[in-house]
Amino acid sequence: NAGVMQNPRHLVRRRGQEARLRCSPMKGHSHVYWYRQLPEEGLKFMVYLQKENIIDESGMPKERFSAEFPKEGPSILRIQQVVRGDSAAYFCASSRQGGSSGANVLTFGAGSRLTVL
Amino acid sequence: GDSVTQMEGPVTLSEEAFLTINCTYTATGYPSLFWYVQYPGEGLQLLLKATKADDKGSNKGFEATYRKETTSFHLEKGSVQVSDSAVYFCALQAYSGAGSYQLTFGKGTKLSVIP
Repeated sequence: NAGVMQNPRHLVRRRGQEARLRCSPMKGHSHVYWYRQLPEEGLKFMVYLQKENIIDESGMPKERFSAEFPKEGPSILRIQQVVRGDSAAYFCASSRQGGSSGANVLTFGAGSRLTVL
Repeated sequence: GDSVTQMEGPVTLSEEAFLTINCTYTATGYPSLFWYVQYPGEGLQLLLKATKADDKGSNKGFEATYRKETTSFHLEKGSVQVSDSAVYFCALQAYSGAGSYQLTFGKGTKLSVIP
């Protein structure tokens, strides 16, 4: 059981470049969540996806950020034209049940740390 | 909006000392409450949870009780070990208002246990 796999673990980008972060959920999990942790802050919810569907994107910035979870392959969080304020740790989580339950247990990956120069 | 406040770290304790990490929350409904732990270089792992008032979650010697009257979910362990050194996150799960329940985390408390 490989757990939730995220890559790359560390990514450095210059301002204006694009960042792509990948997440493979645990085997048997079809629900994926992305969270962001800014320096000295707790994790903040960004987006919740099921295969080929965005269920809840209430935490996503309105511009430059997008997420997908295709039928085949990992979920991808894409940040276009990165700025220094995007520097953070991005965590992916997955679950077997969906986010419609108030006691849903998520399994987290080790995170991808983005540094924007 | 919903929020979680946990005690500032870092916390340094000697082995076998008693641990308390305070956590209080603000939520409009009746959230579920969680403690997650993050060991160096790893993802967050669920440590324990409680889904309603007066529930006690426990695991690996850690425990926390859901106190609705004080809106608290303090983490305790009677005798810590060096292997407990990690960052501990308190979290609540509540309706996001956009179709699903999501987690709101505190900032985390780093615990270091010295031999």
